[in-house]
Amino acid sequence: EAQVTQNPRYLITVTGKKLTVTCSQNMNHEYMSWYRQDPGLGLRQIYYSMNVEVTDKGDVPEGYKVSRKEKRNFPLILESPSPNQTSLYFCASRPSAYEQYFGPGTRLTVT
Amino acid sequence: AQSVTQPDIHITVSEGASLELRCNYSYGATPYLFWYVQSPGQGLQLLLKYFSGDTLVQGIKGFEAEFKRSQSSFNLRKPSVHWSDAAEYFCAVGLTGFQKLVFGTGTRLLVSP
Repeated sequence: EAQVTQNPRYLITVTGKKLTVTCSQNMNHEYMSWYRQDPGLGLRQIYYSMNVEVTDKGDVPEGYKVSRKEKRNFPLILESPSPNQTSLYFCASRPSAYEQYFGPGTRLTVT
Repeated sequence: AQSVTQPDIHITVSEGASLELRCNYSYGATPYLFWYVQSPGQGLQLLLKYFSGDTLVQGIKGFEAEFKRSQSSFNLRKPSVHWSDAAEYFCAVGLTGFQKLVFGTGTRLLVSP
């Protein structure tokens, strides 16, 4: 089954404790993105990747890192999480023309 | 700057009634347009998309949307709403040359018996 998977689905952590949210897709898509969803703000892009080792900032990259060492994986790294990064995070991938396939989401709470 | 506006934060519709969710965008060229639905606790599912051609687009679950260039709109419609349609709906624009979708803030649909 073609899908985008994310882990963990739920995470509660404390300020400053490094964490990684994994994202994997099995559709051989070149393009992958991370979004965060906040009430009243919709979804905003954090980072995106056009291929292995090619990444760039989206609209809200501060406090996040990404890497793309393999085509299928695109982890999101929070080196020092803060409470304002409490959010619902979505990973997405797409083959080419903008139709994105979204993962199930990761709900992160930073206390 | 490019933007997507969904003017209705909440809409309540009676089951069996028709539905129209509004979406307006601000962009200099013809964009790629999408509607996604998010059920509670779920990810985003693509309802329909418009790239070019016929301006009336059919999607899944009985939804359709009409692209009106003159009004910069891409409103979502359904002739008869079912209780299972209660969810949050997002309009999104894909910008030529940009590697992202720009989302509206969403409209939460409530369906009353």
